[in-house]
Amino acid sequence: DTAVSQTPKYLVTQMGNDKSIKCEQNLGHDTMYWYKQDSKKFLKIMFSYNNKELIINETVPNRFSPKSPDKAHLNLHINSLELGDSAVYFCASSQDSTKETQYFGPGTRLLVL
Amino acid sequence: SQKIEQNSEALNIQEGKTATLTCNYTNYSPAYLQWYRQDPGRGPVFLLLIRENEKEKRKERLKVTFDTTLKQSLFHITASQPADSATYLCALPDNYGQNFVFGPGTRLSVLP
Repeated sequence: DTAVSQTPKYLVTQMGNDKSIKCEQNLGHDTMYWYKQDSKKFLKIMFSYNNKELIINETVPNRFSPKSPDKAHLNLHINSLELGDSAVYFCASSQDSTKETQYFGPGTRLLVL
Repeated sequence: SQKIEQNSEALNIQEGKTATLTCNYTNYSPAYLQWYRQDPGRGPVFLLLIRENEKEKRKERLKVTFDTTLKQSLFHITASQPADSATYLCALPDNYGQNFVFGPGTRLSVLP
């Protein structure tokens, strides 16, 4: 059973479109995250979400918005996609109390044309 | 803000040797530091966590040290195997303790 899953695995879309990436974790964790890994392989935090508390990395454009229908899901919605949004997006989760160990999903490879 | 450097972008070693990867941070000393492994096309996988009051942590062929004076962690893989080839990332909590900051990673290649 996959602990953290993401869909889709690949996403190719045109500039200006709106798209969503879904993430689900079956670990019973309270905290979920979205990371962006660019072409240089830098992994940067975008959001963390814990019991309805959203912590946003201030460098993330407001075109990106996380949506959490319940504790096991944290989806990422992106408006007006730009070429620079092309990257691999990883979802992760951790237990609420310590947030020490993060479990990552397989990633979604987004290509904006 | 915290800045993390890892010794080199790529490291090649011969099978059976010990690989040593370095993680240096520039700002505050975190309460703990982590190492992750990332294979191509996959998400990072947690390997080890070492706390500020621990000098050394071991797990099978892996060993991590943490020197808060030097602001450095060393990650060792003994008796390396080609299957150890991957990118290794160090990570530590940001100064608010709310999120993680990841290093740029070192791509290790173990040559048979």
